[in-house]
Amino acid sequence: QSVLTQPPSASGTPGQRVTISCSGSSSNIGSNTVNWYQQFPGTAPKLLIHSNSQRPSGVPDRFSGSKSGTSASLAISGLQSEDEADYYCATWDDSLNGWFFGGGTRLTVL
Amino acid sequence: VQLVESGGGLVQSGGSLRLSCVASGFTLSSYWMTWVRRAPGKGLEWVANIKEDGREKYYVDSVKGRFTISRDNAKNSLFLQMSSLRVEDTAVYYCARGGSISGYNLYWGQGTLVTVSS
Repeated sequence: QSVLTQPPSASGTPGQRVTISCSGSSSNIGSNTVNWYQQFPGTAPKLLIHSNSQRPSGVPDRFSGSKSGTSASLAISGLQSEDEADYYCATWDDSLNGWFFGGGTRLTVL
Repeated sequence: VQLVESGGGLVQSGGSLRLSCVASGFTLSSYWMTWVRRAPGKGLEWVANIKEDGREKYYVDSVKGRFTISRDNAKNSLFLQMSSLRVEDTAVYYCARGGSISGYNLYWGQGTLVTVSS
């Protein structure tokens, strides 16, 4: 069982809004900030959202993040075909003393 | 900012490898650094991180006692010494800048492939 739980897959049509959830506990999401990463096959991960809801420079504002209690979400609006990728949440766990990634969500644009 | 990993390759189970990550474009001594891996068909897994001065280190349970993270700030380099390698350590290993408890990994290397054969 992963420390952080994400749905294995998500899908949407171009222009649609999709959300990806990340569920944790009081020792991880409940206590620390959440980051989101995007990864295409064969390439390095890319930081999409940090500190729950902050976008690094260059990340389109179609991507947004939020956190409430022990859960976090990544929302992608105006879905585009180039958004097809794997998405991961990540946070520190105070009890386990380590960083943890969610299992990842593969996004398909239909 | 650039991070370039090297040192990956094919090794037999029980063997050792030392990964290196050379940093440029920023002052290494100002940042935590992290190793993350992705095994074939699996998701991202944090492996280890190290504080700016090297005095704090953390590891995922599955590598504790087998892997050692270290750094040489004077040489702009991060290392991961891997011993007693197992087939399940087969993965692409990435180094990334950042990794403090409240931080994030903004810059990543291109990765280096480690293959452990039985």
